[in-house]
Amino acid sequence: AQTVTQSQPEMSVQEAETVTLSCTYDTSESDYYLFWYKQPPSRQMILVIRQEAYKQQNATENRFSVNFQKAAKSFSLKISDSQLGDAAMYFCAYRPAGSGGSNYKLTFGKGTLLTVNP
Amino acid sequence: GAVVSQHPSRVICKSGTSVKIECRSLDFQATTMFWYRQFPKQSLMLMATSNEGSKATYEQGVEKDKFLINHASLTLSTLTVTSAHPEDSSFYICSAHKSGTDTQYFGPGTRLTVL
Repeated sequence: AQTVTQSQPEMSVQEAETVTLSCTYDTSESDYYLFWYKQPPSRQMILVIRQEAYKQQNATENRFSVNFQKAAKSFSLKISDSQLGDAAMYFCAYRPAGSGGSNYKLTFGKGTLLTVNP
Repeated sequence: GAVVSQHPSRVICKSGTSVKIECRSLDFQATTMFWYRQFPKQSLMLMATSNEGSKATYEQGVEKDKFLINHASLTLSTLTVTSAHPEDSSFYICSAHKSGTDTQYFGPGTRLTVL
């Protein structure tokens, strides 16, 4: 079974600084997708960034980027120029690449609570 | 965009009554939707996979007769908590897999309180 591990229950960063959230996963699949979701105090889950395992290039979305190390099964999220609005719980998630029903199931990590200090 | 709505956002009910929560994908079709439960400061716990036009697939330990799921169209799934008890009080979140993509989009959640 696939597992996703977020080893940092809490992290904090100064506004405008950079922070990296770590995520490791375990799978026997060769093709899969990885995601970072953000859950602010409103509790609305928001997709931050996604990575396809067969693509070696790291995904980037504005101030958010990932460091995807497939051999190490590592998928960290870097937030640059942190803003107060980035404060939230961040979840790393995995799903296999197949299509249909249960293949779309996400396996989540336990989350990292990010605090941004002004 | 890819917007998912949930209704109601909050519901308070008496023990023994049933509550229905709706999950709609507003601007896309979703053959597969998911229902999660989330306790405070914890991750999302998958309850069931809702498949359009067929029976839902429940995760181990989730009572299918208590949590009834119906996915009658490509944009709507419903979760009915039957004979609710205080221990069913929780935050319920749905998500919808956007057909033709690899991404799930989440609803804003429903806070259920059973008195």
